[in-house]
Amino acid sequence: GAGVSQSPRYKVAKRGQDVALRCDPISGHVSLFWYQQALGQGPEFLTYFQNEAQLDKSGLPSDRFFAERPEGSVSTLKIQRTQQEDSAVYLCASSLAWVRHEQFFGPGTRLTVL
Amino acid sequence: AQSVTQLDSQVPVFEEAPVELRCNYSSSVSVYLFWYVQYPNQGLQLLLKYLSGSTLVKGINGFEAEFNKSQTSFHLRKPSVHISDTAEYFCAVSHQGAQKLVFGQGTRLTINP
Repeated sequence: GAGVSQSPRYKVAKRGQDVALRCDPISGHVSLFWYQQALGQGPEFLTYFQNEAQLDKSGLPSDRFFAERPEGSVSTLKIQRTQQEDSAVYLCASSLAWVRHEQFFGPGTRLTVL
Repeated sequence: AQSVTQLDSQVPVFEEAPVELRCNYSSSVSVYLFWYVQYPNQGLQLLLKYLSGSTLVKGINGFEAEFNKSQTSFHLRKPSVHISDTAEYFCAVSHQGAQKLVFGQGTRLTINP
């Protein structure tokens, strides 16, 4: 069956460029999460959606980071004016609301900022 | 605030030997505990989870973990490892009322023939 998909898988950006990362969750999954995984580290929470509502964005590191999920399905994480410290793997996960504690992860987007 | 400590950043073992990957957590409320595995260039895959009930949890690929509330630990074990178990393993915690997972820094398991 189809899992969580993310695109692009790899993105190279010059410092100062804007980037947009896409996540397609498992069909029917209500909850959607974004995590940032720096090299050699565990994933760190960025933000969480339930349907189209962004219920928690406490992990977004700065106002350059913005996420949306306008129709409650596909989500986009946007990073404006990228900096070298933004280089990381960005992971998306989704879950069913009633089995909410099992999150299914996508393969991630590896962002490299030069 | 919750936190997770994985006590070993790297664990080398020989094939068919037993292995234990250690995980300790801190939380002021009841927790849910998870182990995820990450193969190179892939996303995270759930190995097992503890939500409630029996403290010994069995997962996929022959792994199991035991929740110890008094020691705030959730160590992962496998009696006999295979080359295919080479990967990064992450312990994570969440709690009722919070959706997000808090991860440890990971343990790299290397299996030597």
